[in-house]
Amino acid sequence: GNSVTQMEGPVTLSEEAFLTINCTYTATGYPSLFWYVQYPGEGLQLLLKATKADDKGSNKGFEATYRKETTSFHLEKGSVQVSDSAVYFCALTRINDYKLSFGAGTTVTVRA
Amino acid sequence: AAGVIQSPRHLIKEKRETATLKCYPIPRHDTVYWYQQGPGQDPQFLISFYEKMQSDKGSIPDRFSAQQFSDYHSELNMSSLELGDSALYFCASSLVRSRDRGKGQPYHTDTQYFGPGTRLTVL
Repeated sequence: GNSVTQMEGPVTLSEEAFLTINCTYTATGYPSLFWYVQYPGEGLQLLLKATKADDKGSNKGFEATYRKETTSFHLEKGSVQVSDSAVYFCALTRINDYKLSFGAGTTVTVRA
Repeated sequence: AAGVIQSPRHLIKEKRETATLKCYPIPRHDTVYWYQQGPGQDPQFLISFYEKMQSDKGSIPDRFSAQQFSDYHSELNMSSLELGDSALYFCASSLVRSRDRGKGQPYHTDTQYFGPGTRLTVL
């Protein structure tokens, strides 16, 4: 079946630090890959996505590249802000499959 | 832009009571999904509907049922509530790329957009 493995948290950083959250997946075929973010007390928001190998998704300074050879979709941001403090979920859907399969989530706290 | 609407936002129930959660998808979206997120957990898929028909089923207890109506809104009905049902319940909607549906061709669901969730507390 599908599975998503995320780097375990929590992660605590200082403002302007570099952030990487590792995500690897197991799925047959060519899944679509997503990063969702959940700010404290809020719902899930789509951060970025990639639907085929070598695609790069980007939004709000975050980037992730779909690497088929390493089955990875690592999230990166070059300079984090306090407002980036949230839980980040890596997720996938397979072709002909409706449901999102989520990773366990990584809690990121950015200190001023 | 219009987003997914869920109601109520908060709900408190006693054990063995029933609850109904409502979801109004983004206009023109034809697919609705329900997810359950326990405290400190990742969201778990419960059930989905495409064009008012159940399209997939996940780890949804038999005490729960759901349906999608002619206006595409969906309701999740939960009976005989247990303490362990306390969670955030998310609804998401998407527009399936349906151009190849029914022709035996592979298709792919488009991005799912989530509502703000309903926080259910069972006492």
